[in-house]
Amino acid sequence: DQQVKQNSPSLSVQEGRISILNCDYTNSMFDYFLWYKKYPAEGPTFLISISSIKDKNEDGRFTVFLNKSAKHLSLHIVPSQPGDSAVYFCAASDAGTASKLTFGTGTRLQVTL
Amino acid sequence: GAGVSQSPSNKVTEKGKDVELRCDPISGHTALYWYRQSLGQGLEFLIYFQGNSAPDKSGLPSDRFSAERTGGSVSTLTIQRTQQEDSAVYLCASSLEGRHQETQYFGPGTRLLVL
Repeated sequence: DQQVKQNSPSLSVQEGRISILNCDYTNSMFDYFLWYKKYPAEGPTFLISISSIKDKNEDGRFTVFLNKSAKHLSLHIVPSQPGDSAVYFCAASDAGTASKLTFGTGTRLQVTL
Repeated sequence: GAGVSQSPSNKVTEKGKDVELRCDPISGHTALYWYRQSLGQGLEFLIYFQGNSAPDKSGLPSDRFSAERTGGSVSTLTIQRTQQEDSAVYLCASSLEGRHQETQYFGPGTRLLVL
């Protein structure tokens, strides 16, 4: 039972354009959402998060949008840079099981020159 | 400022052997987590430590898997009688106090291959 889903295994975007990565969830108890970025042979690195009381959070080139009614969130990267090429994981948690994160399967982003 | 470290970085073992994976969390972090990532899958939660206690072991897939943490610091994940389906990247993470909405910081992982 995949509670967090990233339906696009890969995405290719030209440098300077917008990258949009999508994530859907099924558990209505999730109230905190995160994006992690992972380079090969490294551990995931925290990128940005959003609480369910907000619908948008911005940090530099990265913006996360949350649509609670649709149980959908997205990560926007503008402008995309070659160094953004990595695997991006969406994750979620709820206050009742605060200790653990539930992850999606990841989307591999390739930013081309 | 050292991050989370894990050893070994790679481990190849034969089916049926026992393996031990080690995690050194960020100094001062009381919360420690183990996850694993099988091929083509997302990260799967295994166990959570608060200090030396494990209040959440719900993700351990079978009784062949166990983990301990000593001195509120280093943790060891042990897999007994390894099976081929145990092949995965095992990731350790730590956070300051284990509170909700607290960032978890990950180590580089141990890549386990069971032949």
